[in-house]
Amino acid sequence: GAVVSQHPSWVICKSGTSVKIECRSLDFQATTMFWYRQFPKQSLMLMATSNEGSKATYEQGVEKDKFLINHASLTLSTLTVTSAHPEDSSFYICSARDAGWGANVLTFGAGSRLTVL
Amino acid sequence: GQQLNQSPQSMFIQEGEDVSMNCTSSSIFNTWLWYKQDPGEGPVLLIALYKAGELTSNGRLTAQFGITRKDSFLNISASIPSDVGIYFCAGQLETSGSRLTFGEGTQLTVNP
Repeated sequence: GAVVSQHPSWVICKSGTSVKIECRSLDFQATTMFWYRQFPKQSLMLMATSNEGSKATYEQGVEKDKFLINHASLTLSTLTVTSAHPEDSSFYICSARDAGWGANVLTFGAGSRLTVL
Repeated sequence: GQQLNQSPQSMFIQEGEDVSMNCTSSSIFNTWLWYKQDPGEGPVLLIALYKAGELTSNGRLTAQFGITRKDSFLNISASIPSDVGIYFCAGQLETSGSRLTFGEGTQLTVNP
């Protein structure tokens, strides 16, 4: 089946630094990928839709200048958390649509846990 | 914000028991999905439902797409310890493309 890989699986950084998280579709092409954020004991909240070759679409309340998304190829989307602060500590999960599964089914990566000190 | 109401929030059951959880929405969805998330992992798809009234099974799991297209349930029969985890329903609105809206999740604990 479809596999979505995220890297790194966890990262610890100092406040004020930037962190990049990669999301790759390993055996399929994804023109669209999605980035979610999940705080402890909460559900997944959609942050943005990453579109290959064009600008990402951000959900209301998500700062596009803080969460930079780049989808330069059909198999890779990156999320950069700029000038990270402790409140940005969260579990970031990407997903991609694999047409082989069905109309709009998404496959998720294993997530990347960000801890900002 | 969240548009799906998922219940119960948590369940504590004995191994071998059956489990049922459901999601309701004020909006009509064209697709319902059920995912399971283990600690520190991303959600894994369990069942996908595409048609109102559809009843689909995957091993010990059975899910149905409500006839009104505003609800869905997931049943797990003869639970085992590895069923422990958080179960999320997710829906896709008619006009949202592949964007998913998630329920709040049901934390399942299975006692051996």
